[in-house]
Amino acid sequence: AQSVTQLDSQVPVFEEAPVELRCNYSSSVSVYLFWYVQYPNQGLQLLLKYLSGSTLVESINGFEAEFNKSQTSFHLRKPSVHISDTAEYFCAVSARNEKLTFGTGTRLTIIP
Amino acid sequence: NAGVTQTPKFQVLKTGQSMTLQCAQDMNHEYMSWYRQDPGMGLRLIHYSVGAGITDQGEVPNGYNVSRSTTEDFPLRLLSAAPSQTSVYFCASRLEIAGGGELFFGEGSRLTVL
Repeated sequence: AQSVTQLDSQVPVFEEAPVELRCNYSSSVSVYLFWYVQYPNQGLQLLLKYLSGSTLVESINGFEAEFNKSQTSFHLRKPSVHISDTAEYFCAVSARNEKLTFGTGTRLTIIP
Repeated sequence: NAGVTQTPKFQVLKTGQSMTLQCAQDMNHEYMSWYRQDPGMGLRLIHYSVGAGITDQGEVPNGYNVSRSTTEDFPLRLLSAAPSQTSVYFCASRLEIAGGGELFFGEGSRLTVL
């Protein structure tokens, strides 16, 4: 069985400061890894994903995540956050089958 | 292109009532799924389908039924609503059956069971 742990339920960050949202996963087989973002009163949207190849993946709005197999982690980072980044972020894992398992989410709050 | 459409957006039920949450996608996606979102618990998979006529249970299937008579539609039925089913429900679909592809989500249906 696969599982995802997001240790931080809430992360407050000052505007233009860097942020890291942590994600650890558990699986006995190779996995696909995802970050989804949920803006207030909306459904989730894909932010970025790791399937294979380069362990560093980037999104179009400045976020990046690095797959670390030895630490079973897929932390999300951004060097400088903006007010518009206020949202809830979900890490998810799929053990290359049809089911996608989500973490409990991290609420990112940007402080002006 | 509407994407994934869920109806209704809001619903209040009394304990014991039944209802159906509708989900339709116009992207010809084979895979469709229903999740519920509860505070502090993230999204949990209720049921999913890998094509017309094929459905399977997810992590929390009890109290819910699904069917997939067409590629486009994947309704979720609550047989006898309970307060524990108060939640926000999301329908999601993707093109491929196997994991790796992007899941497209509807805007959600907020259900309150009194």
